[in-house]
Amino acid sequence: SAVISQKPSRDICQRGTSLTIQCQVDSQVTMMFWYRQQPGQSLTLIATANQGSEATYESGFVIDKFPISRPNLTFSTLTVSNMSPEDSSIYLCSVEGGAGGRGEQFFGPGTRLTVL
Amino acid sequence: GQSLEQPSEVTAVEGAIVQINCTYQTSGFYGLSWYQQHDGGAPTFLSYNALDGLEETGRFSSFLSRSDSYGYLLLQELQMKDSASYFCAVNTDSNYQLIWGAGTKLIIKP
Repeated sequence: SAVISQKPSRDICQRGTSLTIQCQVDSQVTMMFWYRQQPGQSLTLIATANQGSEATYESGFVIDKFPISRPNLTFSTLTVSNMSPEDSSIYLCSVEGGAGGRGEQFFGPGTRLTVL
Repeated sequence: GQSLEQPSEVTAVEGAIVQINCTYQTSGFYGLSWYQQHDGGAPTFLSYNALDGLEETGRFSSFLSRSDSYGYLLLQELQMKDSASYFCAVNTDSNYQLIWGAGTKLIIKP
């Protein structure tokens, strides 16, 4: 299994500013995923980040708003740019792997973002 | 479009058995996963079914019928700590991306 840490764990930001969330994994992984989850709601995939290539964004998410870096096999960042109150959410990173095959992902503890 | 349907909430009594169903309509299918998420926590993996049949892991079992596009998670000997949200998720292609259901909140009463 993989152990994942995220920074910051929570933040309160002003509208119009940007926040960069870091995701660190204790082992090398090929694929990293960034999700958004409103409290009590399902997970929505923002993008998939593979090392050495551009992130792949899901419908409704664009690179200008959510730029992602993946400089190596253990680290990734997600930036939430020009924030508005609608960006208030929990942001989760995850990685593939484990005996569960394609169906298993390991998640970081999440970053709780509030935009005022 | 692609969709997964599961009940929004299920209530059960401590010590009982509960089944959480999931039906899916997706463009591709490699397998069905189940995750547990406690309030304020991150999702944790429970099971993955790629083939038809029942998979058992301790008190939890998961079932898949590919022909019916249907699966379920069975929790036995319910404990208060099982109170959480449970998500089904489908792996639709050859990579590790998952499409997630809306989640089922399991409420356990003593």
